[in-house]
Amino acid sequence: EIVMTQSPLSLPVTPGEPASISCTSSQSLLHSNGYNYLEWYLQKPGQAPQLLIYLGSYRASGVPDRFSGSGSGADFTLKISRVEAEDVGVYYCKQALEGPRTFGQGTKVEIK
Amino acid sequence: QVQLVESGGGVVQPGRSLRLSCAASGFTFSSYGMHWVRQAPGKGLEWVANIWFDGSNKYYGDSVRGRFTISRDNSKNMLYLQMNTVRAEDTAVYFCARDGWSSVLAAAAGLDYWGQGTLVTVSS
Repeated sequence: EIVMTQSPLSLPVTPGEPASISCTSSQSLLHSNGYNYLEWYLQKPGQAPQLLIYLGSYRASGVPDRFSGSGSGADFTLKISRVEAEDVGVYYCKQALEGPRTFGQGTKVEIK
Repeated sequence: QVQLVESGGGVVQPGRSLRLSCAASGFTFSSYGMHWVRQAPGKGLEWVANIWFDGSNKYYGDSVRGRFTISRDNSKNMLYLQMNTVRAEDTAVYFCARDGWSSVLAAAAGLDYWGQGTLVTVSS
């Protein structure tokens, strides 16, 4: 099983400021097709998770462009260029490469 | 619009069985793989199982393999999760989710639609 590790687990943010979350996998998520099978999700309080980023860096439909995903192999980053109040919640990375799909522990983002 | 609606949750005694359902609408159900993901109270997300678009392949998380069975009925646009020999640690909200696909990239595109979840409580 691929183990996903996120940091930090808690992230106080100031509206208008940037924020960054890291995700490391226990093995490379680079597929033979050249894509990294790494996804990012946001779960807002009381809601189901929503897809933000797939294949490492592709924004899902309707996701604001202040969200960006980067990285390759086993190290990935989700960046929010300017945090807004509506961005609070728990962010999860997830691998979709092989075997049982696995999520990171989650990073709770809250406003300072 | 795409809709996924779970049902079948409730209180079940340890060792008993329960079947969850997920009704899909607003898209061609038979063209998409589907997943079950769960979330224990106050905890993170745990992937449970997935099934290919035609039901030909199924995969399970280590904690449920051998006890849970994922299935689908494409004629009814329904996804199921049969939960047998349930344990207290199976207590969670269970979400169904669609396996997205990018025709442009010809690659998987994340779990792009989720239901609101159904709560399963395992307790005597």
